[in-house]
Amino acid sequence: AQTVTQSQPEMSVQEAETVTLSCTYDTSESNYYLFWYKQPPSRQMILVIRQEAYKQQNATENRFSVNFQKAAKSFSLKISDSQLGDTAMYFCAFMKYDQFYFGTGTSLTVIP
Amino acid sequence: DTAVSQTPKYLVTQMGNDKSIKCEQNLGHDTMYWYKQDSKKFLKIMFSYNNKELIINETVPNRFSPKSPDKAHLNLHINSLELGDSAVYFCASSQDQYEQYFGPGTRLTVT
Repeated sequence: AQTVTQSQPEMSVQEAETVTLSCTYDTSESNYYLFWYKQPPSRQMILVIRQEAYKQQNATENRFSVNFQKAAKSFSLKISDSQLGDTAMYFCAFMKYDQFYFGTGTSLTVIP
Repeated sequence: DTAVSQTPKYLVTQMGNDKSIKCEQNLGHDTMYWYKQDSKKFLKIMFSYNNKELIINETVPNRFSPKSPDKAHLNLHINSLELGDSAVYFCASSQDQYEQYFGPGTRLTVT
């Protein structure tokens, strides 16, 4: 079975600084997808970034980037130039064959 | 246009009642899901439907039953509601192996 672990229940960062959220996963599969989702206080789940496991290049989306280490089964999210609107729960997710597995989430607070 | 919609957004009901939450997606996706998010924000998949066939059922009590009248809809029906059913329920859809699009969630409170 696939498992996803987020070892940081809560984190905080000063506005404009950089923060990294960690995620590790366990799988015997070689081809899969990894995601980071954001859930602000509005409760809406929003896709932040996606990574295909067969791609070595790390995905980036504006201020968001990942450090994907396939051998180590690690998929961390880096948020640069943190903004107040980044305050949210962040979920790491693993997907294979339409089955999604979510981590327990990291609550990120951006401090003005 | 809303991609994935759920109704109602809030639902307060008493123990023992039967209730339904509706979900509709206008993305043409083949697969739809229901998730339960507990008070600790943990997301647990309950069901997924692919072309009207159930393909996942993660040890969910049989009081919960998904009903899919067509590819665009996946409703969640709950019988004999219990206090522990209080949570936020999310509907989502996806196509192939791309991202899941989530609905806004339904906060269910059982009193």
